[in-house]
Amino acid sequence: GQNIDQPTEMTATEGAIVQINCTYQTSGFNGLFWYQQHAGEAPTFLSYNVLDGLEEKGRFSSFLSRSKGYSYLLLKELQMKDSASYLCAVRENDYKLSFGAGTTVTVRA
Amino acid sequence: ETGVTQSPTHLIKTRGQQVTLRCSSQSGHNTVSWYQQALGQGPQFIFQYYREEENGRGNFPPRFSGLQFPNYSSELNVNALELDDSALYLCASSKGQGTNQPQHFGDGTRLSIL
Repeated sequence: GQNIDQPTEMTATEGAIVQINCTYQTSGFNGLFWYQQHAGEAPTFLSYNVLDGLEEKGRFSSFLSRSKGYSYLLLKELQMKDSASYLCAVRENDYKLSFGAGTTVTVRA
Repeated sequence: ETGVTQSPTHLIKTRGQQVTLRCSSQSGHNTVSWYQQALGQGPQFIFQYYREEENGRGNFPPRFSGLQFPNYSSELNVNALELDDSALYLCASSKGQGTNQPQHFGDGTRLSIL
C-alpha cells in the first residue's frame, strides 16, 4: 500500500513564502512530482525530484530527502494566482503515480 | 503542440448504466494513464496503457476497462455504474514509461451518477 501525507490547507499573504510538506511511505520509489491544480482545471506539472536535494525553478523550489521519505514545495513571492491545490505524487514503479490528497493554498492580499 | 484533450466534459448517468470516456494524448506522447479524482481528494491511479496494452493497474475492479489505439488515443469504459463512481476522470499522457518525463493532464470528464 501507499501513504502520502500533506497538510489540507494553508493560508499566506501576497508576497510571502509558503512551504508545503509531503511525507510518503510507498512500496517503491522512482521519483517525486509536484503538481498545481486550480479549481475545475487539470493538474499542471511544477517540479520533479529523484535525487536528494533542492531543485529550483523560478519562484518555486522543491526538496527531497529519500532517507526521510520527505519532500517540500517552496513557493516564494506569492501572487494571488498561486491560490490553488498543490499535489504531491510519488512514482512507485514504471507505471504507477500515487497522489496525496492535496494542499489548498489561499493567498490573501 | 496539442495538449491532452478529453471528451465529454460532463456526463450524467444512472446506476447500472455503462459509460465510455475518451482521451487524445499530447502529440509525441505514447503512454496514457487514467485517474479517478473524488471531490477534495488527489487523483487515484486506475491503469496505464503503453503500446496498446494495459501495463499497470491500480486498485479498481474489472468493470473499469480501457483501450489504447494506434494513434495513442485511449478510452476508459466503466460498466454497471455505481453511485461511488461519481468523480472527475482524468487522462494523462507522457513519453515512454518509467522515465522522469512528467505526465500531462487533460481537463477531465466530470461524471455524475444519479
